Amino acid sequence: DSGVTQTPKHLITATGQRVTLRCSPRSGDLSVYWYQQSLDQGLQFLIQYYNGEERAKGNILERFSAQQFPDLHSELNLSSLELGDSALYFCASSVGGGRANEQFFGPGTRLTVL
Amino acid sequence: GQQVMQIPQYQHVQEGEDFTTYCNSSTTLSNIQWYKQRPGGHPVFLIQLVKSGEVKKQKRLTFQFGEAKKNSSLHITATQTTDVGTYFCAGRAGNQFYFGTGTSLTVIP
Repeated sequence: DSGVTQTPKHLITATGQRVTLRCSPRSGDLSVYWYQQSLDQGLQFLIQYYNGEERAKGNILERFSAQQFPDLHSELNLSSLELGDSALYFCASSVGGGRANEQFFGPGTRLTVL
Repeated sequence: GQQVMQIPQYQHVQEGEDFTTYCNSSTTLSNIQWYKQRPGGHPVFLIQLVKSGEVKKQKRLTFQFGEAKKNSSLHITATQTTDVGTYFCAGRAGNQFYFGTGTSLTVIP
């Protein structure tokens, strides 16, 4: 158990819908990262937040957005869902926001878009 | 764009044989991290290398960061069935974080 929690574990929805994935980082960690893992794309970095502020942005689509709240939990919002958005979404956390930080991954949310 | 490739994509070894996965980046990385993901699990941090040419060992695992900080390798000596999983390298370039394509290791008992 990494100490990072993600809800829900599974999510099944239809194309065009909007969903929210939630992540609670390890106690004391200020950074949260979001990743998308699909069979053909591997692990894709989406976005990083550090202490409530966006720190780095990766391959995140405009239909996706995220935020980190004052209690440091984070939410990833996916809208206008397409079949290709079906994937495993991981959240990770680290103590700091810089480059040399070990990331602790949550168990992931499996999203299926029908 | 920036890419971090790993080879091989898949590797099947007999238990007791050695295994190596190679990680190559198109640009210089600030650091390299290695993660292991068991089937059905989430990535778990193994190690981080920061210095050019750095070598670190963890029991049967040896990690190396290239002199140019654009490549890295993970070598496992005498594989065991518990080594099964996908091994990812990951590195930072600027404020972007890139994961390698992963090497899936199968160990045949």
